[in-house]
Amino acid sequence: SQQGEEDPQALSIQEGENATMNCSYKTSINNLQWYRQNSGRGLVHLILIRSNEREKHSGRLRVTLDTSKKSSSLLITASRAADTASYFCATATTSGTYKYIFGTGTRLKVLA
Amino acid sequence: GAGVSQSPSNKVTEKGKDVELRCDPISGHTALYWYRQSLGQGLEFLIYFQGNSAPDKSGLPSDRFSAERTGGSVSTLTIQRTQQEDSAVYLCASSPAPPGETQYFGPGTRLLVL
Repeated sequence: SQQGEEDPQALSIQEGENATMNCSYKTSINNLQWYRQNSGRGLVHLILIRSNEREKHSGRLRVTLDTSKKSSSLLITASRAADTASYFCATATTSGTYKYIFGTGTRLKVLA
Repeated sequence: GAGVSQSPSNKVTEKGKDVELRCDPISGHTALYWYRQSLGQGLEFLIYFQGNSAPDKSGLPSDRFSAERTGGSVSTLTIQRTQQEDSAVYLCASSPAPPGETQYFGPGTRLLVL
């Protein structure tokens, strides 16, 4: 699998429910970031979690990081129709260059 | 302040023609990235500029692809002798120092090669 692979590939839930998506990666990281993309255009940064952090919150978002399992999860609580988008994780590696590796994304659909 | 801008928004070209895509990063951002995203796919890293250092070109898919960044600001991605498989959305992002932090994306250029 690729570095930064999200799971599931697609998720459909009812408004008000929680949405959880996962990201796995392969190499050592400096930090891990989650982005949202609407309509296949520019990405918007949601949250950054550093390798020495285990959990981080931002509004209705909760991100966890387990470096021993090389995985992260993004939880969106009380979802809204406006949360419908694709969500990507991106890892910034420690290999000496700061290029990011993006996963394949989770397509979330929130039904009103 | 202004965000990252890209031009053109859309580009339709014929196979074999050259195209230039432009990215204006956020002022003061030292890092600039180009990515390619095919329909329904994730982002594919192309090239990374950091300050005055030599760019990381490890993601460029062929020698038909090149990019430059003039004066540490505006960047141009050039695709020579375009092929149909080059059709994709090309996204640019910039990031402030230190590197490895949040990226700010432009709206992308949708390229269609006929």
